[in-house]
Amino acid sequence: TQLLEQSPQFLSIQEGENLTVYCNSSSVFSSLQWYRQEPGEGPVLLVTVVTGGEVKKLKRLTFQFGDARKDSSLHITAAQPGDTGLYLCAGPRGSGYALNFGKGTSLLVTP
Amino acid sequence: DAMVIQNPRYQVTQFGKPVTLSCSQTLNHNVMYWYQQKSSQAPKLLFHYYDKDFNNEADTPDNFQSRRPNTSFCFLDIRSPGLGDAAMYLCATSSRLAGGRDEQYFGPGTRLTVT
Repeated sequence: TQLLEQSPQFLSIQEGENLTVYCNSSSVFSSLQWYRQEPGEGPVLLVTVVTGGEVKKLKRLTFQFGDARKDSSLHITAAQPGDTGLYLCAGPRGSGYALNFGKGTSLLVTP
Repeated sequence: DAMVIQNPRYQVTQFGKPVTLSCSQTLNHNVMYWYQQKSSQAPKLLFHYYDKDFNNEADTPDNFQSRRPNTSFCFLDIRSPGLGDAAMYLCATSSRLAGGRDEQYFGPGTRLTVT
C-alpha cells in the first residue's frame, strides 16, 4: 500500500500569515494531486503535479513535487478565511483506477 | 456546467432500514466511485466502476452495494444501516488521463444520519 502522510494534521492561523503543509511517502508516485474540501462539501481538485521538482502556482497557492516524486508541499501566501478547509493529497494506486488519499490537513484561517 | 450531482444532500434513516443514495454526472466519465467520509477523516473508497466493471474494496462491508445502470447514474445501497454507517457519502468520477493520471471530480456529498 502506498501510504501518504500529511502534516500537520491541524493548523490554525490568522489572516495574512503564510503556511506550508506537507505530503510525504516512502513510495514513488507518477503524480500527486491536491484537493481542498470545504465543510459540508466534496473535495475539489486544485492541482496535479507530474514531474519531479515541478512547481505550480495557483494564485496564492504554490505546489511543489519533490525531486524523487515521493513528497509534495503546498505553500499558501497571505492566507485568507476563504482558504479554510481540509487539504488532501492523493496519489495513484499501483494499478486500477483509484487514488490513495492522505488523512488531510485541516486549516482554519481566522480574520 | 458539467458536474457531479448527489441526491439527497441530507438523508435520515432508521437503524436497519434500507437506504439508497444516488449520483449522476454530466461529465461522461467512464469511472465512478463511492467514498465514505467520517468527520475530519480522509475519504475511504468503498468501490468503483470502470464502465460496468465493478471493483469492490476488500474491506467494504457486504452491507454496502452499488448499481450503475448507465454511464450517467450510480447508486449506493445500504441494506441495513447501523449507527456506525452515519457519515458523508461522496460520489466521484474520473476519466483516466495520459500517463495513468486519475483526476477525480467529486459531488457535494450526501450526509447520512442513522437514528
